[in-house]
Amino acid sequence: DGGITQSPKYLFRKEGQNVTLSCEQNLNHDAMYWYRQDPGQGLRLIYYSQIVNDFQKGDIAEGYSVSREKKESFPLTVTSAQKNPTAFYLCASSMGRDRARQPQHFGDGTRLSIL
Amino acid sequence: DAKTTQPPSMDCAEGRAANLPCNHSTISGNEYVYWYRQIHSQGPQYIIHGLKNNETNEMASLIITEDRKSSTLILPHATLRDTAVYYCIVRFRGNDYKLSFGAGTTVTVRA
Repeated sequence: DGGITQSPKYLFRKEGQNVTLSCEQNLNHDAMYWYRQDPGQGLRLIYYSQIVNDFQKGDIAEGYSVSREKKESFPLTVTSAQKNPTAFYLCASSMGRDRARQPQHFGDGTRLSIL
Repeated sequence: DAKTTQPPSMDCAEGRAANLPCNHSTISGNEYVYWYRQIHSQGPQYIIHGLKNNETNEMASLIITEDRKSSTLILPHATLRDTAVYYCIVRFRGNDYKLSFGAGTTVTVRA
């Protein structure tokens, strides 16, 4: 089945540690996105990528980094510079063309907590 | 993006149709109406979207008023698994990458 796989489902980070969240899709989508969701709140865009080897900052990119070396993969690193990393992280993908007409499809998320 | 207004919550009986309203009175001509839902601790699930015409797929129907200022998502035969938060979003047909989720409507389907 085609879809978006995020791993791990739960992740714990120690103070001062970088952690990387995995996102893989087999939908042949050009565009991929990372969002953050805090309890009772909507989604906030962290980074997005329209094509391989290219990505742009979203609204809350500080303390995060990404790479897009393969079409299928868009990993997110939460660095020690992110002072409040505890959140639910969601990866999404969509066809690249005519973005408003193309729905974004989401993975099941990674819940990150600080030890 | 145009702002949307949804009721905070609604109940529905299992097996009955669930009609979820959304007001988007400031929508412009090149903005699409999207519906997503999110079941607790899962990622949002795309349901349906439309521009002007009514749309139907295997999950739901979307009815958009002629003036496009409001819409209704219809789940024809609600099941307990349809209990979720439902989000109505409008998206600009341009260089818009992000989805802006509001508070949504918490739908509880009761047996």
